[in-house]
Amino acid sequence: DAKTTQPTSMDCAEGRAANLPCNHSTISGNEYVYWYRQIHSQGPQYIIHGLKNNETNEMASLIITEDRKSSTLILPHATLRDTAVYYCIVRVGAGGTSYGKLTFGQGTILTVHP
Amino acid sequence: DTEVTQTPKHLVMGMTNKKSLKCEQHMGHRAMYWYKQKAKKPPELMFVYSYEKLSINESVPSRFSPECPNSSLLNLHLHALQPEDSALYLCASSQVGTGGIDTQYFGPGTRLTVL
Repeated sequence: DAKTTQPTSMDCAEGRAANLPCNHSTISGNEYVYWYRQIHSQGPQYIIHGLKNNETNEMASLIITEDRKSSTLILPHATLRDTAVYYCIVRVGAGGTSYGKLTFGQGTILTVHP
Repeated sequence: DTEVTQTPKHLVMGMTNKKSLKCEQHMGHRAMYWYKQKAKKPPELMFVYSYEKLSINESVPSRFSPECPNSSLLNLHLHALQPEDSALYLCASSQVGTGGIDTQYFGPGTRLTVL
């Protein structure tokens, strides 16, 4: 699976949009971009995923650049409860040789301030 | 419902003890996973089960023994652990896709302390 690069930490004011970048310059055509987050001492929580189109769900939006070498996770109105470690993961879809593997990097520690 | 449950929440064991961690899901998922997470580190995959058969073992020491007795249950049997095995053990489950997406859903974890 392609390697990802994320900033170590970011801050955001409550109520503002949080934009979390992820660089995945070696991504292959059959690899998806996944985002998970982990609130302190809890299990990782799935947020969103995409292949090449932008995606939106009730939690967040995922913007993938046209060349797919980077992406941005957007939390439109951050709250204190969004303080967590956010992981950007690139992996093949089911049927790929590394099927079943989620390889977590160090992630970005997002702190939302009042 | 995307709930994966894990028991116990916390476990303290000695190096000579035998204990088991339990994971359960009722989402009809046929793939289940064990991850290990040390303090301040990201989760690391240990095992993957697909249709109740072990499909991936990430070179995990034999003192960790996984078991998948049915499609809803996943156990991790622990024996002769070392203090460095103290960690958060996470279970996850997903569909087994065919060319599609197998989004993994995680449980809350079991916090294991080995004395």
